[in-house]
Amino acid sequence: DTEVTQTPKHLVMGMTNKKSLKCEQHMGHRAMYWYKQKAKKPPELMFVYSYEKLSINESVPSRFSPECPNSSLLNLHLHALQPEDSALYLCASSQDSQFQETQYFGPGTRLLVL
Amino acid sequence: GENVGLHLPTLSVQEGDNSIINCAYSNSASDYFIWYKQESGKGPQFIIDIRSNMDKRQGQRVTVLLNKTVKHLSLQIAATQPGDSAVYFCAEKADYGGSQGNLIFGKGTKLSVKP
Repeated sequence: DTEVTQTPKHLVMGMTNKKSLKCEQHMGHRAMYWYKQKAKKPPELMFVYSYEKLSINESVPSRFSPECPNSSLLNLHLHALQPEDSALYLCASSQDSQFQETQYFGPGTRLLVL
Repeated sequence: GENVGLHLPTLSVQEGDNSIINCAYSNSASDYFIWYKQESGKGPQFIIDIRSNMDKRQGQRVTVLLNKTVKHLSLQIAATQPGDSAVYFCAEKADYGGSQGNLIFGKGTKLSVKP
């Protein structure tokens, strides 16, 4: 099973709202990732968690706050977002972030900030 | 400067024909490459990967070719079907002497299959 699940599928929020995106995998992977994807563009890496510790933060604004409660779950907390943050947010996982491991992606959460 | 173009390169093929999607990479330290397929409204789906110690790898109806000399990667799809219509991304990862780099995606190619 190479399934990564994400909830919600769609999210509309105002600039003053606080919301969270959730990601889950049960493949025993120890690395999990958040990507942002704008229309007609490739995914852009935001964060990497390796063994439940944040290992990479690609200069993402603090209005995005990741959290890894355990090895199967990854959250992305959103607060005071801007309309330009509207995008498809993708979660991925891999066996390990340190080796040549395939990353498997979830279906994404389509976020619209009004 | 930033590429402000909103048009993906597009490849249009007839159903049943073979498709070849190309990707150029720039980092000579890259040693792991993946092809992903992304259908509209979905996340990227793994198709096939190849490591730098190989120059060809075959899957079911797909073949990836790697030419390290010219830093070129291609994906060949045999007997293309309407369900193959999607955006295809190549991605590369570099090994910096034990410290792995991030997965870097190419710009993507949109494949349209005409019935």
